[in-house]
Amino acid sequence: AAGVIQSPRHLIKEKRETATLKCYPIPRHDTVYWYQQGPGQDPQFLISFYEKMQSDKGSIPDRFSAQQFSDYHSELNMSSLELGDSALYFCASSSTGTAKNIQYFGAGTRLSVL
Amino acid sequence: AQKITQTQPGMFVQEKEAVTLDCTYDTSDPSYGLFWYKQPSSGEMIFLIYQGSYDQQNATEGRYSLNFQKARKSANLVISASQLGDSAMYFCAMRDVYNQGGKLIFGQGTELSVKP
Repeated sequence: AAGVIQSPRHLIKEKRETATLKCYPIPRHDTVYWYQQGPGQDPQFLISFYEKMQSDKGSIPDRFSAQQFSDYHSELNMSSLELGDSALYFCASSSTGTAKNIQYFGAGTRLSVL
Repeated sequence: AQKITQTQPGMFVQEKEAVTLDCTYDTSDPSYGLFWYKQPSSGEMIFLIYQGSYDQQNATEGRYSLNFQKARKSANLVISASQLGDSAMYFCAMRDVYNQGGKLIFGQGTELSVKP
């Protein structure tokens, strides 16, 4: 079965640089979520999209933005990177029309800011 | 506000034995979903099992079962016949039902180590 695809898997950036993370959800899933997991921390919700419209926003810095495109893939854009942005970034997708509405996660993008 | 609490930072279990990972939650909403995810050292987040607040029976998925005690607001994960590959971080999560789609709220996690 198809899973959530994230790219790149690893990314190394310098401070003040820009990064773009990509996510391809499971086909026919209508909702995409982005989470940030710092070292030794639990995942924290950043933002979600339902049918290409932003549906909820968490503790996402103003330096970050995200969107979902017509083909349902999503991108998380991060500008003016700081050392504290180093984390594992997950994308997840779900089908809200199902009773359980399970979120399936991609393998994550590990971002290191030097 | 909704909250998930996992009080066991680390657990050890002997191979082939059963282990219970604790999870308590707090919500005022009568409708919610509870999830368990496994995160191996490689980093991916793997869905294990789901329990809905209105489900009459405890959820089971292979060697995983959920001991759901609604009145006590607990949703403990039971892993039977532990295997070395079960060594990982385990997260309990709750779905926020107030928003379309519902973001997940995670507990702090429990690191399980399976000894041969």
